[in-house]
Amino acid sequence: DADVTQTPRNRITKTGKRIMLECSQTKGHDRMYWYRQDPGLGLRLIYYSFDVKDINKGEISDGYSVSRQAQAKFSLSLESAIPNQTALYFCATSAPGQGGWKETQYFGPGTRLLVL
Amino acid sequence: KQEVTQIPAALSVPEGENLVLNCSFTDSAIYNLQWFRQDPGKGLTSLLLIQSSQREQTSGRLNASLDKSSGRSTLYIAASQPGDSATYLCAVSAGGTSYGKLTFGQGTILTVHP
Repeated sequence: DADVTQTPRNRITKTGKRIMLECSQTKGHDRMYWYRQDPGLGLRLIYYSFDVKDINKGEISDGYSVSRQAQAKFSLSLESAIPNQTALYFCATSAPGQGGWKETQYFGPGTRLLVL
Repeated sequence: KQEVTQIPAALSVPEGENLVLNCSFTDSAIYNLQWFRQDPGKGLTSLLLIQSSQREQTSGRLNASLDKSSGRSTLYIAASQPGDSATYLCAVSAGGTSYGKLTFGQGTILTVHP
């Protein structure tokens, strides 16, 4: 079984609808992240959480909200979806390790979202 | 603000060629630099991680170098194979208020044809 899972894998929705993307991990990591990927722009950080009680905005948080329900679960919500939120969304996890020098992130398979 | 740029955006080579992918970053105050591979329908997989104090890392046919002072990294792939076809992303991790967060480049789409 995959260590980081995302549901749904694909989603089509209409402008103005509220949707939630879910992420679960079995790696036991405290840190979780949400990114979006647009063609030609790489990955950009939306929100991140370093533990259950810690939620932080990333580079592009406007229009999004998150919930860290447990160490293993981190959900991303679009309160009122708009077409420019059409993108590939990735969840990732990490553990701080040796002061951050060797910290790497483990990614889920992604959710492809289309907003009409 | 850290910016990461990858050149070229796309590369197509015949099987067996050696190739180099380039990554540059604007702020040299990094903790580490990573190279990831992305396959369609799958997430990113970390290939190599170079700590800021290191010059290079090797894994099989892959070699990544880091020149922190000039803000550059290269990923060298030896004897390329069709199975190497994927998007390659570099990302840097910084300290301070950016601790634990990655800044990604746009990626290089690599196609290795038989």
